[in-house]
Amino acid sequence: DTEVTQTPKHLVMGMTNKKSLKCEQHMGHRAMYWYKQKAKKPPELMFVYSYEKLSINESVPSRFSPECPNSSLLNLHLHALQPEDSALYLCASSLGQGIPQETQYFGPGTRLLVL
Amino acid sequence: AQSVTQLDSHVSVSEGTPVLLRCNYSSSYSPSLFWYVQHPNKGLQLLLKYTSAATLVKGINGFEAEFKKSETSFHLTKPSAHMSDAAEYFCVLFYGGATNKLIFGTGTLLAVQP
Repeated sequence: DTEVTQTPKHLVMGMTNKKSLKCEQHMGHRAMYWYKQKAKKPPELMFVYSYEKLSINESVPSRFSPECPNSSLLNLHLHALQPEDSALYLCASSLGQGIPQETQYFGPGTRLLVL
Repeated sequence: AQSVTQLDSHVSVSEGTPVLLRCNYSSSYSPSLFWYVQHPNKGLQLLLKYTSAATLVKGINGFEAEFKKSETSFHLTKPSAHMSDAAEYFCVLFYGGATNKLIFGTGTLLAVQP
């Protein structure tokens, strides 16, 4: 099973709302990633978790708050977002063993619209 | 410096004709390269990857890519396009180290005409 699931599929929120995106995988992967993808652009890395610890934060604004409660689950908490944060948010996972050329498996994404 | 360049932002082919999507890379190290496909409103799916085992890499759905070190290229090909191949294709370089970061090309949108 090489599936990464993400919920919800779509999310509309106001600038004062608090919401969360959820990502789950059951492949035994120990590295998990959040990407942001704007229309007609490649994905941009936001965060990397390795063995449930945050290893990379690509200078993402604090209105995005990641959380990795266990090895299978990754959340992205959203608060006071701006309209320019509207995008497709992709989750990915990989073995996390530091093996070169590790394959990252992507979820279907959550399409977020901030009004 | 590590970088990936996809030479065409749009490619249009007729169904049943060959597909060629071009990718050039720059890497200080022996590169690891991937091709991912993204159908509209979907996540990314791995098509194939090069990990220095063989220069001609076969992937899913009849796609293959050839690693050419002398040309620093990793072009994606398919002998006969199908309507379902219409999608965005990303050439990706593995940045590596302890971070497992990927460097994405800007993408090539493949249109398949009936």
